[in-house]
Amino acid sequence: QQQVKQSPQSLIVQKGGISIINCAYENTAFDYFPWYQQFPGKGPALLIAIRPDVSEKKEGRFTISFNKSAKQFSLHIMDSQPGDSATYFCAARRNQGGKLIFGQGTELSVKP
Amino acid sequence: KAGVTQTPRYLIKTRGQQVTLSCSPISGHRSVSWYQQTPGQGLQFLFEYFSETQRNKGNFPGRFSGRQFSNSRSEMNVSTLELGDSALYLCASSPGGSTNEKLFFGSGTQLSVL
Repeated sequence: QQQVKQSPQSLIVQKGGISIINCAYENTAFDYFPWYQQFPGKGPALLIAIRPDVSEKKEGRFTISFNKSAKQFSLHIMDSQPGDSATYFCAARRNQGGKLIFGQGTELSVKP
Repeated sequence: KAGVTQTPRYLIKTRGQQVTLSCSPISGHRSVSWYQQTPGQGLQFLFEYFSETQRNKGNFPGRFSGRQFSNSRSEMNVSTLELGDSALYLCASSPGGSTNEKLFFGSGTQLSVL
């Protein structure tokens, strides 16, 4: 019940295309869902986050879609650029829990 | 503001030794969390400290311990190192006032156990 399952494990997208990464969770007590971006040699950096009371949140080229009934959420990267090539992690946290439960990560490669 | 600073950046130890990693949070942040990152297990929560007290703990053996000082700086210690402890250890800080606030990660300490 504490797991967050992320897919795909790796993704190759052409420049200008849309990158889509999916996550699913079991624990209905989760109420905070962030996405992190990690470049080699760096720690994860928060990209965008959503609470389950909204179905979509957009910040620039990054959009989170959230389906509470299906217990799924996804990250869409519009107009993908080579500079977006990184590993992306979804995560979830309980309101009282404090710790982040991370998905396994998706290695995104955007080809020029 | 300076980001989260972790030292050392790289560390090589042998089995059976112990190691101490250091983390300086963003100025004003009172919560420090530690995560272990490995290719096989991904990112796993170790523990969180707030105002010098451990507030949350993950499912790691007692060989992994930590502490936080009055200036919010934190250290984690791993005793009797095993090969499987080789990992990137990440420290993250947050202001500490809310459970849903943003976490800011450092670049990590890469530990290799030979």
